[in-house]
Amino acid sequence: AQSVTQLDSQVPVFEEAPVELRCNYSSSVSVYLFWYVQYPNQGLQLLLKYLSGSTLVKGINGFEAEFNKSQTSFHLRKPSVHISDTAEYFCAVSDTQGAQKLVFGQGTRLTINP
Amino acid sequence: NAGVMQNPRHLVRRRGQEARLRCSPMKGHSHVYWYRQLPEEGLKFMVYLQKENIIDESGMPKERFSAEFPKEGPSILRIQQVVRGDSAAYFCASSQQGRGKAEAFFGQGTRLTVV
Repeated sequence: AQSVTQLDSQVPVFEEAPVELRCNYSSSVSVYLFWYVQYPNQGLQLLLKYLSGSTLVKGINGFEAEFNKSQTSFHLRKPSVHISDTAEYFCAVSDTQGAQKLVFGQGTRLTINP
Repeated sequence: NAGVMQNPRHLVRRRGQEARLRCSPMKGHSHVYWYRQLPEEGLKFMVYLQKENIIDESGMPKERFSAEFPKEGPSILRIQQVVRGDSAAYFCASSQQGRGKAEAFFGQGTRLTVV
């Protein structure tokens, strides 16, 4: 079984500042890792994913994440945020051997202040 | 290529009524997943279906909830005799393959309110 912990429920940031959203996971098997974004009253959109290879993954909208196996972390970063980045961000994992059944963290609400 | 379509977007039911939520996967996708998002929480897996088969229903409540994905038509999540605690957003996702690396595309969700 897997579990995902997003360490911050809310993160307020000023526009054009850098941001890091933290995610730690626990699993007894190998996992794939994902970050999704949810805008108000919308579904989830995939930002980026780590399947294998380079531990630094680049996604859409200028986001990137780094997989750290020893620390079981997959933190999301953006060097300079915009007002339009205000949304809920979810970290998720899935078993590499099984079906694409995602286990989600509780979410981090990113609020960008002008 | 239309995305994952869910309807209705909003559904209000009185306690004891039935709720039917529909999900049409993306074209060419034969794997469907349902998730539930309670207020202020992340999404929780409910059920995974392929055409005419339930593959994994480990997240489904044991009573009142059922799901199907017929050969023709959308996948249906059915909640009988709804209670206030069923109020949540229900999301459907579809993928081309069932393997872990396959990207799942999400619909916009159905927000169920039980009054």
